[in-house]
Amino acid sequence: GEDVEQSLFLSVREGDSSVINCTYTDSSSTYLYWYKQEPGAGLQLLTYIFSNMDMKQDQRLTVLLNKKDKHLSLRIADTQTGDSAIYFCAESVRGGADGLTFGKGTHLIIQP
Amino acid sequence: NAGVTQTPKFQVLKTGQSMTLQCAQDMNHEYMSWYRQDPGMGLRLIHYSVGAGITDQGEVPNGYNVSRSTTEDFPLRLLSAAPSQTSVYFCASSPAGERYNSPLHFGNGTRLTVT
Repeated sequence: GEDVEQSLFLSVREGDSSVINCTYTDSSSTYLYWYKQEPGAGLQLLTYIFSNMDMKQDQRLTVLLNKKDKHLSLRIADTQTGDSAIYFCAESVRGGADGLTFGKGTHLIIQP
Repeated sequence: NAGVTQTPKFQVLKTGQSMTLQCAQDMNHEYMSWYRQDPGMGLRLIHYSVGAGITDQGEVPNGYNVSRSTTEDFPLRLLSAAPSQTSVYFCASSPAGERYNSPLHFGNGTRLTVT
């Protein structure tokens, strides 16, 4: 079945770049997303990429997609303390229609 | 514009009790879904609906029922609560169509403890 894998923790120094990685198994995935969850809150969409793209940049965020290796990454430039959260990678074939498959989430820890 | 509203925010149940988690959205979204979030497990899909009157099972449907009588509401019913259903439950909605730039909107969650 479908599976999305992420590392559970990433620790970076404030001001450095963070790179969160994700692999997925469903080759028919059409939409790939990154969500952010702060403590006690729901999930907030950060960015997305369509499967016919290999890169997308949005201010401090850069998403890279290697469709051949089924590898997705999220780079956060100039990481700040406000970036401390859990980051979820998610994939779907039909957008929101039949739900998304989420990874277990990566806890991003910012060191001063 | 309230978005996706979930009630209650917190709930404690005894084993065997039943209850309904409420979810309402005011964005006229066709698609709605329920997820549960457990430590180290990410989010897992329980049930989803592509429109009023239509529901389907997700990855972990056992012990839960849903109905979708209106576009706005998508309640999740626990028929006989079990400790394994202790979790944080999230409701989400999205508009219909292949609109990857309008993905899931999440509620703030219901934290359920079953003793």
